[in-house]
Amino acid sequence: NAGVTQTPKFRILKIGQSMTLQCAQDMNHNYMYWYRQDPGMGLKLIYYSVGAGITDKGEVPNGYNVSRSTTEDFPLRLELAAPSQTSVYFCASSPRGGLTNEKLFFGSGTQLSVL
Amino acid sequence: AQTVTQSQPEMSVQEAETVTLSCTYDTSESDYYLFWYKQPPSRQMILVIRQEAYKQQNATENRFSVNFQKAAKSFSLKISDSQLGDAAMYFCAYRSAGGSEKLVFGKGTKLTVNP
Repeated sequence: NAGVTQTPKFRILKIGQSMTLQCAQDMNHNYMYWYRQDPGMGLKLIYYSVGAGITDKGEVPNGYNVSRSTTEDFPLRLELAAPSQTSVYFCASSPRGGLTNEKLFFGSGTQLSVL
Repeated sequence: AQTVTQSQPEMSVQEAETVTLSCTYDTSESDYYLFWYKQPPSRQMILVIRQEAYKQQNATENRFSVNFQKAAKSFSLKISDSQLGDAAMYFCAYRSAGGSEKLVFGKGTKLTVNP
């Protein structure tokens, strides 16, 4: 059972480039999330989805877009990369989300540098 | 808005000894969930322990236990019989029980375990 899979693990972008961070889960979880972790900081929520076709903004959504066409996949799109988007990006999932105390299942992260 | 504060950027402990990591939070809500997540060098976030605010009994998971003081808004993590594999970043996190999808994280405490 793979859990939450993120690709790529590392990426360097030039300012103004675009890219998509991939996230896939094989646990049939309805809820999926994107967090970013800046150096020396905790994680901050970028976007989340409560099911296929439904997405919503988190705490720091500017500069990002998401889509959720299937239960399994939740890609994160950076359109015009900026140095402020240098961070480690984590995808996570859970069966029932915020209505419960259940844990999040995290991927191993994508380290992104924008130069 | 809720905030989570971890006042100890770094802690160290001798193998087999006990260590306590501190966490305080600020909220006006009465019902919420608290979590401790571990982030080893592999980067993947792993749930260590969780607590529901309405439960007076402190949560325990094997060598891990919490001291939950609701009035003081304190949620410390105690690790007993520390092992080398416990070395990691530890993050305290808060989630509203009202259906919010956002986990609010502290900045983390880096735990070193000395042999």
